Amino acid sequence: GESVGLHLPTLSVQEGDNSIINCAYSNSASDYFIWYKQESGKGPQFIIDIRSNMDKRQGQRVTVLLNKTVKHLSLQIAATQPGDSAVYFCAESSSYKLIFGSGTRLLVRP
Amino acid sequence: NAGVTQTPKFQVLKTGQSMTLQCAQDMNHEYMSWYRQDPGMGLRLIHYSVGAGITDQGEVPNGYNVSRSTTEDFPLRLLSAAPSQTSVYFCASRDGGQTGELFFGEGSRLTVL
Repeated sequence: GESVGLHLPTLSVQEGDNSIINCAYSNSASDYFIWYKQESGKGPQFIIDIRSNMDKRQGQRVTVLLNKTVKHLSLQIAATQPGDSAVYFCAESSSYKLIFGSGTRLLVRP
Repeated sequence: NAGVTQTPKFQVLKTGQSMTLQCAQDMNHEYMSWYRQDPGMGLRLIHYSVGAGITDQGEVPNGYNVSRSTTEDFPLRLLSAAPSQTSVYFCASRDGGQTGELFFGEGSRLTVL
């Protein structure tokens, strides 16, 4: 696989626990936000998105929270599973540019 | 449905050589983009295109050229490769508009010696 993410912050959680991954974005004009998951050797995969006129959006086992006041985004994963182990990126969009954050590695302990 | 296809998957170049990374999508997506990913730095936007004949610069465009002569193809050209361009390159596409899921290819790993 690719040797990306060697210096990423890491979140280690017990299988079955909930995970919370945080992200600070920089552009107050960003109006659309996305979370991506990247497994080793693969391209990023879409998880969930949220528009700036929303504070919260839920998917299957995942919830995204947006706090525009402090420019903060979080991804909550319920009942974390071994298959959730990956690097997670938040991304912000303004106009047609989708800009990614630096990522967080999630490790799930059995 | 192949989605986004990138070629080659691996390439080694010498400094000063030129090459083109190919990207093709079969989803009739208007929007296409190129990212590079270095260890610990996430993905950085190089160039993007909102439709055939239209391209624009991203965060790190220097040293790269793109063109969009068809909806399906969005090649990335390195005119004179430098070691700093050693990276993994991802092509991505989505349907028209400013939002929506971005579909990524599997990546092209480029090493410049």
